[in-house]
Amino acid sequence: DGGITQSPKYLFRKEGQNVTLSCEQNLNHDAMYWYRQDPGQGLRLIYYSQIVNDFQKGDIAEGYSVSREKKESFPLTVTSAQKNPTAFYLCASSIGGLAGWSEGYNEQFFGPGTRLTVL
Amino acid sequence: GQQVMQIPQYQHVQEGEDFTTYCNSSTTLSNIQWYKQRPGGHPVFLIQLVKSGEVKKQKRLTFQFGEAKKNSSLHITATQTTDVGTYFCMFSGGYNKLIFGAGTRLAVHP
Repeated sequence: DGGITQSPKYLFRKEGQNVTLSCEQNLNHDAMYWYRQDPGQGLRLIYYSQIVNDFQKGDIAEGYSVSREKKESFPLTVTSAQKNPTAFYLCASSIGGLAGWSEGYNEQFFGPGTRLTVL
Repeated sequence: GQQVMQIPQYQHVQEGEDFTTYCNSSTTLSNIQWYKQRPGGHPVFLIQLVKSGEVKKQKRLTFQFGEAKKNSSLHITATQTTDVGTYFCMFSGGYNKLIFGAGTRLAVHP
């Protein structure tokens, strides 16, 4: 089955620790995204990658880092510099990306998400 | 900067009643997408609207894109308990900006 997976589903972290969230897709999509969702709010873009070895900051990139060494994988590291990391993190992918947004092919497929709690 | 308003924030309906959520942008959009997120789940793509005045239907769901491409609506006819969830609009706000509405949470009472 094609799809997008995230692990772990739940993650607990102590203050001051870095933690890496996994995101893998086998849809052969070029673009991948990381979002943060807080209770009762819409999604906010953390990082975006249009293609392998390239990524761009979104609206709330401070305290986060990413890598895109393989087309299938886009891991997100939540660093100790992120002041309020407790949230629901969603990874997504699409065929096209922001570069050609008006052309379409940017329907986003989301993973099941990771709930991060900082203790 | 570009802003989006999605209303209402919450909507409680009796099963069988209709439901509408609205998404309003401060600027003209190239296109707009709608997503549904079930409680505890992840967003699932519903539809994309591209043309001015476009209307698309999916069974009991009707999506509209305004003539000026600044607003959009999602209407559900005769709601069912399976319609429960939060409905989001989303669009591109320019280079490296994707903007989601805050969502409308729909509760359906049987």
